[in-house]
Parts: sequence; structure tokens; C-alpha cells
Amino acid sequence: GDSVTQMEGPVTLSEEAFLTINCTYTATGYPSLFWYVQYPGEGLQLLLKATKADDKGSNKGFEATYRKETTSFHLEKGSVQVSDSAVYFCALTGTASKLTFGTGTRLQVTL
Amino acid sequence: DAGITQSPRHKVTETGTPVTLRCHQTENHRYMYWYRQDPGHGLRLIHYSYGVKDTDKGEVSDGYSVSRSKTEDFLLTLESATSSQTSVYFCAISGRLAASYEQYFGPGTRLTVT
Repeated sequence: GDSVTQMEGPVTLSEEAFLTINCTYTATGYPSLFWYVQYPGEGLQLLLKATKADDKGSNKGFEATYRKETTSFHLEKGSVQVSDSAVYFCALTGTASKLTFGTGTRLQVTL
Repeated sequence: DAGITQSPRHKVTETGTPVTLRCHQTENHRYMYWYRQDPGHGLRLIHYSYGVKDTDKGEVSDGYSVSRSKTEDFLLTLESATSSQTSVYFCAISGRLAASYEQYFGPGTRLTVT
């Protein structure tokens, strides 16, 4: 079945540092890939998505590129802020628009 | 923000009691989903609906049932709550058939079973 593997957290960075959160997947066919973000006490919000190989999703300074050859969708940001502190989930859709999530990576950004 | 509300937002209940969680949407979206979120597991799909009275099981459906009698409402019922069902429950909606379209999430319901 479909699966998503994310790097273990928590990730602690200083403000303005470069962020990478690794995500790899296993799926049949050609899934769409997503990054969701969850701020404390809230539901999940879509951060970015990519629907086919080599697509780059971007939003709010975050980027991720759909790499079919390495089955990866790593999240990057050039300069993180304290307000980026949250839990980040990588996910994919397979059949029937059902999302499969990774376990989430907590990011803590300090001044 | 997509118009999704969940009620109640917090609930404490005793083992063996029935519990119903409600998800209400104002977007007229076709698909609705129930997930549970637990540490170390991310979000896992419980049940989903692809139209009024049309539902199907997800990966962790044991102990849960759902109903959808109107487009806007999707109910999740725990017939006899157990401590293993202590979790945060999220509802999500999607308007599209294609797998490339995203889901929008509600604010969650924190359920504690004592």
C-alpha cells in the first residue's frame, strides 16, 4: 500500500536558518504530493502541492519538488522565522482521493 | 478558509458510553472524511463519504460508524467508547473526484475516554 516517510523531529533551528524536512514515499501509479502545516491547537492547512514529476510547489517561502526518480518531496525554506514553528506533514493521494500522511515533523524556531 | 465546523470541540466521556461527533460544511463539497491524529502515527483515515448515504471504510474503522444524510453533515459515532479511542479527530472535505485535489480540514475535536 501507499506510505510516506518523514524525518524524525523535533527540528530546532535559529531564526533565518535554512530548513530542509525530508519526505519519501511509496505508491503505485502517479500520486499527487502535499505538504500540510499544523499550528498549535489548530487543524491542518495545505501549504503546497505538486501533481506530477518535476513540479515545484511553493507558498510562503516554502518549496518542494516532486522527484519521481528518488520518490521524494523534500520541504525547504531559505530563512525560517519564529512564526514557522509548527508541525509539518507530508502526504500523498492515491485512489479515491484518500490522503496518506507521514507521521509529522515538529519544527521549533528560536530567536 | 473553507467553511468547516466540528462539534463538540472537546469532550470527556467514560468507557462504554456512546459518542457522536459532528462535522458540518457550508461548501457543498462532495467528499467528506474523518481522521484521527495520534502521536507517532500522523493522521489516519477512519471513514469517508463520497455522497449522501455513500460511505466507505478507511484504515482504522473498527469501533466507528458514520452517517451522512445531508450533503453538509457527516457524523462519526463511537458505539461504545474505549480508552484506545482517546484522540484528536479531524474532519476534512474535498470537492473533487481527482486525486490531485486537496482536502480542507476542520479545527478538530479532542476526545478523552476515561
